[in-house]
Amino acid sequence: DAKTTQPPSMDCAEGRAANLPCNHSTISGNEYVYWYRQIHSQGPQYIIHGLKNNETNEMASLIITEDRKSSTLILPHATLRDTAVYYCIVRLLFPGSARQLTFGSGTQLTVLP
Amino acid sequence: SQTIHQWPATLVQPVGSPLSLECTVEGTSNPNLYWYRQAAGRGLQLLFYSVGIGQISSEVPQNLSASRPQDRQFILSSKKLLLSDSGFYLCAWSAPSGAETQYFGPGTRLLVL
Repeated sequence: DAKTTQPPSMDCAEGRAANLPCNHSTISGNEYVYWYRQIHSQGPQYIIHGLKNNETNEMASLIITEDRKSSTLILPHATLRDTAVYYCIVRLLFPGSARQLTFGSGTQLTVLP
Repeated sequence: SQTIHQWPATLVQPVGSPLSLECTVEGTSNPNLYWYRQAAGRGLQLLFYSVGIGQISSEVPQNLSASRPQDRQFILSSKKLLLSDSGFYLCAWSAPSGAETQYFGPGTRLLVL
């Protein structure tokens, strides 16, 4: 799985959009971009994933650049409950297989009132 | 929808005592199941995974064991706990085919004294 680089911390005002960047310049054509988050003392929570196209779900939007070397997770209206460590992961998919999920150091997002 | 449960939520055990942590998944059949450990301030370490009843793969040799007595039940055990077994234990599941997204339970925080 390709390496990712994220800023260690970010702040965001409550109600504003939070834009979390991730660099993955060595990504290969078959690797997906995954985002998870972990709120303090809780289990990691899956947010979204994508391959090439931008993706949106009820939690967030994922914007992947055309060359796929970077991506941005967007939380459109951040709330205090979105304060967490956000992990960007690049991963080959082997459907049906069971493989370790490896988190880097992630970005600590703090939503400020 | 799928739900994953873990219990207990927290546990304090003396060194040398036995351990049994339970994980159950609802709303899916034949899931891949995983046990991870997350030490304080560190990443995830995959301990065991299972692709079916009675099928356990160990990733890290240690004094822990895992069992899968039923399709949606995964148990982590130890006969004698060590101080180094303290940590945050996470159970996760993924679909047996198709997307490889892993979904985590709430975790069990274990403190060995």
